[in-house]
Amino acid sequence: GQQVKQSSPSLTVQEGGILILNCDYENDMFDYFAWYKKYPDNSPTLLISVRSNVDKREDGRFTVFLNKSGKHFSLHITASQPEDTAVYLCAAGEAQGGSAKLIFGEGTKLTVSS
Amino acid sequence: EAAVTQSPRSKVAVTGGKVTLSCHQTNNHDYMYWYRQDTGHGLRLIHYSYVADSTEKGDIPDGYKASRPSQENFSLILELASLSQTAVYFCASSDPGGPGQLYFGEGSKLTVL
Repeated sequence: GQQVKQSSPSLTVQEGGILILNCDYENDMFDYFAWYKKYPDNSPTLLISVRSNVDKREDGRFTVFLNKSGKHFSLHITASQPEDTAVYLCAAGEAQGGSAKLIFGEGTKLTVSS
Repeated sequence: EAAVTQSPRSKVAVTGGKVTLSCHQTNNHDYMYWYRQDTGHGLRLIHYSYVADSTEKGDIPDGYKASRPSQENFSLILELASLSQTAVYFCASSDPGGPGQLYFGEGSKLTVL
């Protein structure tokens, strides 16, 4: 089964708007959570990540919220810009166990319209 | 600048043929990965490696072999390519100590006819 799942295959938001991308995971041993951004024909790049010892991390317009009891984490983007148009991939893994595995969700295609 | 480079960037193979995708990293990272990207599936882990001369199965290893002859190099081998293996393949590396930031290569687009 899908260990990491994104609820929305696609989202559209107007420029300047706020949006939330969601990700659910199954393995309660996961303690590392990340969001990657991918432009078409490019490789994914890390946008923001968080360890399980915190429930929120902010970096400019991007904030990740972690709800461990609900096995859920989300990416909030404020003041959306056209250059935010991309595929966003959530990912989770088990850092404390020493595992190198990082499991990705299916991706959410975000379109920011101007 | 640290980098992960893949070759070939694009390949057309025939069904039943052998395909080798190569990956080279200058990040001095211990961990290396092979993922495949398909529409609607995001990135799925095929094989990964903690150290040279050792590989681990990921979530979808069937039909693929991996080889890690050195810290810098990690290859993905399709002994008998099939139509269902048409995809974009990404190699990545990361620091040791558990999953962290992955540094991806540019991707290799494989078309099996």
